[in-house]
Amino acid sequence: EDKVVQSPLSLVVHEGDTVTLNCSYEVTNFRSLLWYKQEKKAPTFLFMLTSSGIEKKSGRLSSILDKKELFSILNITATQTGDSAVYLCAVVYGGATNKLIFGTGTLLAVQP
Amino acid sequence: DTEVTQTPKHLVMGMTNKKSLKCEQHMGHRAMYWYKQKAKKPPELMFVYSYEKLSINESVPSRFSPECPNSSLLNLHLHALQPEDSALYLCASSPGPFREYEQYFGPGTRLTVT
Repeated sequence: EDKVVQSPLSLVVHEGDTVTLNCSYEVTNFRSLLWYKQEKKAPTFLFMLTSSGIEKKSGRLSSILDKKELFSILNITATQTGDSAVYLCAVVYGGATNKLIFGTGTLLAVQP
Repeated sequence: DTEVTQTPKHLVMGMTNKKSLKCEQHMGHRAMYWYKQKAKKPPELMFVYSYEKLSINESVPSRFSPECPNSSLLNLHLHALQPEDSALYLCASSPGPFREYEQYFGPGTRLTVT
């Protein structure tokens, strides 16, 4: 069964902390992995990763993919209260037609 | 224009009603998507349109009927829904080849079926 698992399910940190969110997957014919941030409404796109070992970076956020061990991490440094959200990982996979499944998400709460 | 818009924001309908959800983008994106999201769950992909043709239908019941009249518009026609269909319905678009899943989401339509 194809699946995407995120850990931890939830996390509470203080402003200034660094956090690492994990996403592991088991799918057939992996194509890409995506990270989204979802606050109260719709998810917002963060990163798309297709190659192992190449770090993607945007400000205080960075992500890397390990296609051998089948996981990705999302790092957030110097966290701020505005980083509080659900972070979703999604995997695109499949043969003739792409499929996409989301992980259950990690709920991050950053306290002042 | 760098956003995806969805109307209505909220919809309450009975099980015998027929209604439609509308999604629009003017970013020149060539792929559009419908997702269903229940509370505290991740989005579930329902349909994908690529270049205005339905490319993925994730075994969604026929009471949900998508339509893509042109490259900027995506509709979801609803008929004879069940209370368990109550959810947030998200539309997304993406640039197209090689960036299929770099998706930009609309704010969603909160649907309640009574």
